[in-house]
Amino acid sequence: EVQLVESGGGLVQPGGSLRLSCVDSEFTFSAHYMDWVRQAPGKGLEWVGRIRNKANSYNTEYAASVKGRFTISRDDSKRSVYLQMNSLKTDDTAVYYCARDIQEADYVWGQGALVTVSS
Amino acid sequence: DIQMTQSPSSLSASVGDRVTITCRASQGIRNNLGWYQQKPGKAPKRLIYVASSLQSGVPSRFSGSGSGTEFTLTISSLQPEDFATYYCLQHNNYPFTFGPGTKVDIK
Repeated sequence: EVQLVESGGGLVQPGGSLRLSCVDSEFTFSAHYMDWVRQAPGKGLEWVGRIRNKANSYNTEYAASVKGRFTISRDDSKRSVYLQMNSLKTDDTAVYYCARDIQEADYVWGQGALVTVSS
Repeated sequence: DIQMTQSPSSLSASVGDRVTITCRASQGIRNNLGWYQQKPGKAPKRLIYVASSLQSGVPSRFSGSGSGTEFTLTISSLQPEDFATYYCLQHNNYPFTFGPGTKVDIK
């Protein structure tokens, strides 16, 4: 069954902003670290970033390619994680997956949301 | 950041062939490496964790080895459902980094 559902993808102009959301059906959502991984069309996987759980102060990590432009946040009451993307570039065009880290990069994946950055 | 390389970038093989894919890290990552299989239009699926442990439910024809900076994924007898792209992922240091992938297709 589908456990993670992303939304918010679409077409945006270079320099613009977009916010992706991911809702998790798992009742233990709050305990888990949540990651975002992206895949440009016809290209490989790129790890985007992570948000830890409350016990670890919701601390975040980012790939160098998005640091300072992307922000990951979460709302445990809504079992949701978010990816705020600012100053978007054409190179950010990709399918964005949210992923629940069960343990040591053992992920439960969403179905992906397509973000297209184009004028 | 740790850079991951994979070789080959692609290979053509026949059903029943033994296939080996190599992943190298730019610095030591202990055994904090996983192997993932991805089919077109689908999310990746982990096959191997901590370099050499088989994920539950994954056929035993898949195996992994290595530690430090050099790792291998071996498929002992390639099956039709194994034609896919394979990625390694290091999760020893932030940011995590994937290898560029190895596409396995039918000869």
